[in-house]
Amino acid sequence: KNEVEQSPQNLTAQEGEFITINCSYSVGISALHWLQQHPGGGIVSLFMLSSGKKKHGRLIATINIQEKHSSLHITASHPRDSAVYICAVPTQGGSEKLVFGKGTKLTVNP
Amino acid sequence: ETGVTQSPTHLIKTRGQQVTLRCSSQSGHNTVSWYQQALGQGPQFIFQYYREEENGRGNFPPRFSGLQFPNYSSELNVNALELDDSALYLCASSLDLAGGAAYEQYFGPGTRLTVT
Repeated sequence: KNEVEQSPQNLTAQEGEFITINCSYSVGISALHWLQQHPGGGIVSLFMLSSGKKKHGRLIATINIQEKHSSLHITASHPRDSAVYICAVPTQGGSEKLVFGKGTKLTVNP
Repeated sequence: ETGVTQSPTHLIKTRGQQVTLRCSSQSGHNTVSWYQQALGQGPQFIFQYYREEENGRGNFPPRFSGLQFPNYSSELNVNALELDDSALYLCASSLDLAGGAAYEQYFGPGTRLTVT
């Protein structure tokens, strides 16, 4: 079974700061998901990536398959970025039944 | 908007009762997964349905059951509710082309179940 560790658990930043959230997993995977969850529950898929780097607006996700590690970066953070960020990986290599990290709660203050 | 809807939004039930939660997937998505998210925790995989058949199950007892219908909707049923069943229940739909490649999951907004 794949195990997922995220850090930090909680993160408070000032508007404009550069944010990094880390995710490590234990079993080789086909792809890793980064998700965003706002208060109230709804989850939005931000990225699915299997190698290298993806960028969407101010969000950048990178993955190192050999090191079983991924990072989510937010440039020029804004209070509306405040949310829980969760990484998820397949439960075992090739499976798309996901196991989730516990999430990183980000608060961006104006 | 992910195109995935869930109903109801909130629900309060009493211990021992039964509940049915509903999910409407994106059109054409042949796979739906259900997750339970307890307060302060990451989601936990309950089970997945692929083309109306159960396609894997997490560590949940048999009183958690599901159905998937040809019209891309699905249900999660929980019998004999317990207090610990209080959680946010999320469904996620995807299109599995059975080619072994990873595919993106689209999450619904969730149903918050409170068991008293």
